[in-house]
Amino acid sequence: GQNIDQPTEMTATEGAIVQINCTYQTSGFNGLFWYQQHAGEAPTFLSYNVLDGLEEKGRFSSFLSRSKGYSYLLLKELQMKDSASYLCAVTDSNYQLIWGAGTKLIIKP
Amino acid sequence: IAGITQAPTSQILAAGRRMTLRCTQDMRHNAMYWYRQDLGLGLRLIHYSNTAGTTGKGEVPDGYSVSRANTDDFPLTLASAVPSQTSVYFCASSPSGSSDTQYFGPGTRLTVL
Repeated sequence: GQNIDQPTEMTATEGAIVQINCTYQTSGFNGLFWYQQHAGEAPTFLSYNVLDGLEEKGRFSSFLSRSKGYSYLLLKELQMKDSASYLCAVTDSNYQLIWGAGTKLIIKP
Repeated sequence: IAGITQAPTSQILAAGRRMTLRCTQDMRHNAMYWYRQDLGLGLRLIHYSNTAGTTGKGEVPDGYSVSRANTDDFPLTLASAVPSQTSVYFCASSPSGSSDTQYFGPGTRLTVL
């Protein structure tokens, strides 16, 4: 079966760095997405990786290793507004998007 | 402002009633999707449409139907609502298929009693 694993919840301190991991087992791979979802709101796009390596976008970076079926989202200089759920999603060989359950990130002052 | 709208924002519905959730996008995206989101389960795809006039079943299609008469609109119908359909429903669109970034509507919170 197809599966995406993420930690259910993480806690970090304002100003610090946090890494949210995502491992996947899917039938093929055609890209990996990270979305941010604030409580009571819709998911919004953060990043997309299709090749191995690190993609940096401001305070957020996303890393992919296709051979290990692994990705992480790195958030630097954490702000209170970064408190949200972070969703990992993988496009499989049939171009279907498989979603993880999300990681709830709690930022403490 | 370009984007996706959904209606209603929330609804309480008696079991057995018929309900249509509306979704409209003005970005001229070809692909549209309906998801439900339940605590601890993440987003699950109900139905999708890759282009106007075509639809397909997702992971959890039972009890739901969709139509795609034109590019902009993608309504989701619950023919006879059951309590297990209590959820938050998100409509999304993308320029083409699932390998594109998806843009989400604000969601409809549905409670079936």
